[in-house]
Amino acid sequence: EAGVAQSPRYKIIEKRQSVAFWCNPISGHATLYWYQQILGQGPKLLIQFQNNGVVDDSQLPKDRFSAERLKGVDSTLKIQPAKLEDSAVYLCASSFDPNTEAFFGQGTRLTVV
Amino acid sequence: AQSVTQLGSHVSVSEGALVLLRCNYSSSVPPYLFWYVQYPNQGLQLLLKYTSAATLVKGINGFEAEFKKSETSFHLTKPSAHMSDAAEYFCAVSGAGSYQLTFGKGTKLSVIP
Repeated sequence: EAGVAQSPRYKIIEKRQSVAFWCNPISGHATLYWYQQILGQGPKLLIQFQNNGVVDDSQLPKDRFSAERLKGVDSTLKIQPAKLEDSAVYLCASSFDPNTEAFFGQGTRLTVV
Repeated sequence: AQSVTQLGSHVSVSEGALVLLRCNYSSSVPPYLFWYVQYPNQGLQLLLKYTSAATLVKGINGFEAEFKKSETSFHLTKPSAHMSDAAEYFCAVSGAGSYQLTFGKGTKLSVIP
């Protein structure tokens, strides 16, 4: 069974530029999460989707971050414009439903210079 | 609301020695508790989870953890450390029935030959 796929693996951008990350969850998984992991800290939930609807985006900085899952499968997370403090690993996770274990992708490491 | 405190950002043990990684939680509802392992440049892998069944939980790679409600703790142990155990370990909590996770800051485990 294929795992959660994320791309790109690494991205370096200048501050004030835009960037997008892509996540392809495990087939059949209706729940999708995006987490931000800043160096030296644990992952922090940014947004949770159930199919193509947002369940929780209370910790998403909506002035610069956006996420979508239009067809209820793949998801993209966008940052516009990026700040230095957005440097982090962005992890995508998916689960069959909100009450079952989530599986994590390898993450996208973003460096903002 | 839930939170997790991991005592010790860095733990070193000798190969063959006991591994003990500490985790204390705070939760306003009955919790689910998790331990994840993260190898360099990899995503998170679930080691074990407590979901209100047995208080002593056995996981993969010889790890186990005990849920102690009176101490609000969920410490991770392994009787004999192996070089391959060197990684970063994260404790996480969610409200019972949910897999929306709140992570601790992580403990980096080093194993000395």
